[in-house]
Amino acid sequence: DTAVSQTPKYLVTQMGNDKSIKCEQNLGHDTMYWYKQDSKKFLKIMFSYNNKELIINETVPNRFSPKSPDKAHLNLHINSLELGDSAVYFCASSQVPPAEQYFGPGTRLTVT
Amino acid sequence: AQSVTQLGSHVSVSEGALVLLRCNYSSSVPPYLFWYVQYPNQGLQLLLKYTTGATLVKGINGFEAEFKKSETSFHLTKPSAHMSDAAEYFCAVSGARRALTFGSGTRLQVQP
Repeated sequence: DTAVSQTPKYLVTQMGNDKSIKCEQNLGHDTMYWYKQDSKKFLKIMFSYNNKELIINETVPNRFSPKSPDKAHLNLHINSLELGDSAVYFCASSQVPPAEQYFGPGTRLTVT
Repeated sequence: AQSVTQLGSHVSVSEGALVLLRCNYSSSVPPYLFWYVQYPNQGLQLLLKYTTGATLVKGINGFEAEFKKSETSFHLTKPSAHMSDAAEYFCAVSGARRALTFGSGTRLQVQP
């Protein structure tokens, strides 16, 4: 069974569109995260939720909006996509931080 | 504030040779330290972690790392490289922040 899953794995879309990425974990963890990996492989935290409550919100454009319907799911919605949003987005989960995090397979977003 | 510096964006070793990947960290509180591995087009997999206690930690696939507080280092080693070790390796710290702060990554190449 996949511990942290993301859909879709690949997402190609045009500038200006709105898209969502879904994440689910079956590990029973309380905390979930979104990270962005750029073309140089640099990973940076975007958001973190603990029990459906937002606890980290980095300097991310407000076009990005996370939503946590329950503690097993954390979705990422992106409005008005821009070329610079092209990256790989990783979802992760953990027990109460600073426990180790378990990562999903990533979603490669390409904005044309 | 916390930060991670990985010295050497690319490391190349021969099969059977020692692997040494360097990581130095900065943290305002006692750090939790992690090494993750990323294979092409995949998510991140935890190799090992340091929380408290024994400063030499062993991980999967024969890797180990030593926490040296005086040197603020957490270098990753493996006595004998295998072709399957070729991947991107990330050092990360979790300190006062609840999310991971990653280094810029080191690509390990293993030559036959």
